[in-house]
Amino acid sequence: AQSVTQPDIHITVSEGASLELRCNYSYGATPYLFWYVQSPGQGLQLLLKYFSGDTLVQGIKGFEAEFKRSQSSFNLRKPSVHWSDAAEYFCAVGAGAGGTSYGKLTFGQGTILTVHP
Amino acid sequence: GAGVSQSPSNKVTEKGKDVELRCDPISGHTALYWYRQSLGQGLEFLIYFQGNSAPDKSGLPSDRFSAERTGGSVSTLTIQRTQQEDSAVYLCASSFLAGFEQYFGPGTRLTVT
Repeated sequence: AQSVTQPDIHITVSEGASLELRCNYSYGATPYLFWYVQSPGQGLQLLLKYFSGDTLVQGIKGFEAEFKRSQSSFNLRKPSVHWSDAAEYFCAVGAGAGGTSYGKLTFGQGTILTVHP
Repeated sequence: GAGVSQSPSNKVTEKGKDVELRCDPISGHTALYWYRQSLGQGLEFLIYFQGNSAPDKSGLPSDRFSAERTGGSVSTLTIQRTQQEDSAVYLCASSFLAGFEQYFGPGTRLTVT
C-alpha cells in the first residue's frame, strides 16, 4: 500500500527566508507525486506535480520540488517566502498507470507553515 | 474556466438523519473523486468514478456511505443515518482522466449534532 510521511507538523520561517518542506513516500513502483496547498477554509490548490522525466519540477507561486528515487523523497522548496505563503501544505502520492489503486491519492498529514514578518 | 463546485458549503444535521452532498466537476473531466478531511484522520480517499467504469469504492468507511454519478458529470455523496464521527469536510475533485492531476472543490463542511 502506498503511504506518505510529512515529518514536520509545523514550520515557522521569517519572510524572505528560504523554505524546504519534507515529504517521504512509500510505493512499490514509479509514483505520481503532488504538492497541494490549503489556505484556511479553502479547498486544495495544486502547486506542482511529478509524473516522469526531469526530477526537478517547477510549480506555481515560485515553488519547486525535487524527486529523489534513492531517498523516496519529494521535498518542496522556495528560495524566498512571502507572508501570503502561510498555509497548510500537503504532499500526495498516486499510483502510476497500471498500478493498483490507480487514480486515488494518498495524502500526508500536512505541514502548517507560519511566516513571521 | 469554472472549477469544481460543491454544495452546500455548510451542512448541519441531526444524528440519524440522511444527507446528500453534491459535486459539479470541471467540464470535460472524466474522473471524479470524493475525499474526507477530518482532524483525527487527515485527508482520506472515499470513492472515485472513471467514465462508465464501475466506481472504486474501496475507501468508503461503512455501508451508510454511497455515491452516484449521473450522466458522467454531477455526483452525489449520500450518508445515511449520520453519526457524530461523520462530521468532517467532504472534498470533491476531478481530473481529465484517472491518474492525471486532480482539481479540488471548496468542500462541504458537515456537522452532525
